[in-house]
Amino acid sequence: QVQLVQSGAEVKKPGASVKVSCKASGYTFTRYDINWVRQATGQGLEWMGWLNPVSGKTGYAQKFQGRVTMTRNTSISTAYMELSSLRSEDTAVYYCARGLSIDLWGRGTLVTVSS
Amino acid sequence: QSVLTQPPSVSAAPGQKVTISCSGSSSNIGNNYVSWYQQFPGTAPKLLIYENNKRPSGIPDRFSGSKSGTSATLGITGLQTADEADYYCGTWDSSLSAVFGRGTKLTVL
Repeated sequence: QVQLVQSGAEVKKPGASVKVSCKASGYTFTRYDINWVRQATGQGLEWMGWLNPVSGKTGYAQKFQGRVTMTRNTSISTAYMELSSLRSEDTAVYYCARGLSIDLWGRGTLVTVSS
Repeated sequence: QSVLTQPPSVSAAPGQKVTISCSGSSSNIGNNYVSWYQQFPGTAPKLLIYENNKRPSGIPDRFSGSKSGTSATLGITGLQTADEADYYCGTWDSSLSAVFGRGTKLTVL
């Protein structure tokens, strides 16, 4: 089954970092870029950046430059998104999603930032 | 403020047709493919339309997409109550960033 399986919900304090994983299965991980998109409760979709699994090259939305790091481990077909200096406004569901057409989405990881 | 403009809500009766617009600019829609996504509460978005007008396997032909210049449109015919959801348009822009509309809530009356 073609799918992206994400790690479980996280609760973090302001100022901390969070690292979310996204494991690909059912397709060749290195054939498609991985995007990260977040969605705050009741809000729209916000693209954070992309990762090329072959080269490790990344592209980040300007808003997240300096705070986000996207990496991968090709041996286990897994991509990671780490967001640092968390604040309450970062509370959201974080999705990984595949490719240029963004045709396959993980189920999302809820990250709650609260003191 | 989203780069792509969608109406906040649309509504129509079961069996009718509805269209959802998505307006952008030459730096995004005007020079890139448009995708459309359907999202039910508490679930991940699902791809409905890609490359302006193509449907992934399993998406019924009641859903269609089109693009003209810097705007795109999603059409849904034969509306069903099960179509009630949020719909998002998305594309890429000249800075190699993905951009989305703010979403349109479809109500089937």
